[in-house]
Amino acid sequence: QVQLVQSGAEVKKPGSSVKVSCKASGGTFNSYPITWVRQVPGQGLEWMGGIIPIFGPANYAQKFQGRVTITADESTNTVYMQLSRLRSEDTAMYYCARGDVPYYYYVLEVWGQGTTVIVSS
Amino acid sequence: DIVMTQTPLSLSVTPGQPASISCKSSQSLLYSDGKTYLYWYQQKPGQPPQVLIYEVSKRFSGAPDRFSGSGSGTDFTLKISRVEAEDVGVYYCVHSNQLPRSYTFGQGTKLEIK
Repeated sequence: QVQLVQSGAEVKKPGSSVKVSCKASGGTFNSYPITWVRQVPGQGLEWMGGIIPIFGPANYAQKFQGRVTITADESTNTVYMQLSRLRSEDTAMYYCARGDVPYYYYVLEVWGQGTTVIVSS
Repeated sequence: DIVMTQTPLSLSVTPGQPASISCKSSQSLLYSDGKTYLYWYQQKPGQPPQVLIYEVSKRFSGAPDRFSGSGSGTDFTLKISRVEAEDVGVYYCVHSNQLPRSYTFGQGTKLEIK
């Protein structure tokens, strides 16, 4: 049974960066996509980007290009999402999710518990 | 970029009655491999989303059989045959693209119980 466990809540100052981790346990790691989705309070779901570790570079939503970096550490089965130049509008819940098929962006079957990021001066 | 538009954005349904949510995409979601990568997710309050339907009409493991999906090309529908109290939440249609790899979410439809 695959599980994704995310790092804890963060409070950050505007202009700073945040790095959220998503550790996978159970199942194969490097061939399955891990995607990051955020949800601003009271709003919908928004795809930020994703990575298939065996393929290397991540894909990013245009909205976050230049501000988000997604990396994978195969030695610890952990994917990281770093968001820089934070602003108050980045206050949100951030989820990681794992695809259920290797190599393809398909069903997002397993989700992390979510990480709250608050950006406030 | 593909845009996914859901209607209505909210609906209130009496338990036991049917419900229907529409999702329209700005371009055809039929991929070159013959598949249509359109999914429906349910997000209950305080929880991450969970998949109900994949490839337009295939019910995911564990999804109740009162949920069904249909459609093709650019027009898709999620139907709940008989709404139950536990169906409260927000429903999203989602498209996954393979080249380049990406996901696109609809705005969400909030289902409430009367």
